[in-house]
Amino acid sequence: GQQVMQIPQYQHVQEGEDFTTYCNSSTTLSNIQWYKQRPGGHPVFLIQLVKSGEVKKQKRLTFQFGEAKKNSSLHITATQTTDVGTYFCAGFRGDSWGKFQFGAGTQVVVTP
Amino acid sequence: NAGVTQTPKFQVLKTGQSMTLQCAQDMNHNSMYWYRQDPGMGLRLIYYSASEGTTDKGEVPNGYNVSRLNKREFSLRLESAAPSQTSVYFCATRAGSNTEAFFGQGTRLTVV
Repeated sequence: GQQVMQIPQYQHVQEGEDFTTYCNSSTTLSNIQWYKQRPGGHPVFLIQLVKSGEVKKQKRLTFQFGEAKKNSSLHITATQTTDVGTYFCAGFRGDSWGKFQFGAGTQVVVTP
Repeated sequence: NAGVTQTPKFQVLKTGQSMTLQCAQDMNHNSMYWYRQDPGMGLRLIYYSASEGTTDKGEVPNGYNVSRLNKREFSLRLESAAPSQTSVYFCATRAGSNTEAFFGQGTRLTVV
């Protein structure tokens, strides 16, 4: 099965609202990556988190890696229509870095 | 500089037919991956090649074979296509561990 579980699977957001999507693993991860896939497109890399408790920001997007390195979150502030798409996380264990496996993704729909 | 190129972009097969999906990268990356994407299932790893000359099974390898022809090329073969293999297939590459993945544009395959 997949290494990481993502929730929610689907998120309907009003433009201007905030939302958060979560990525959870049963095992400790060496690092985690986030990707965004626009409708009809291919996944595009957003960010990588490596350190316990790490927080990184990209404009309205805030990414966090849990203290135990078993979970991560992506928080989007003041959602815009350009945020539409599916957000995937990919978690890596030190012993299986070659097996680059994704979570099922959170599909985000934004209503103007 | 094309990055990751997949061919073909679209394909319709009859049940039992065979075909090979091609992936080529000009990024000099060591690792290459094949994923399939189905609604609600996210990206599932079929096979990967951590480096030239090696290949390994991912989550859903049954019904597929791969060849890492050289550092640039990684092909995915369906020997006897089945309707359950109707999906969008993505090839991806990475330079190594702890690096971002780059995806091709995808191949939309329909098996009737």
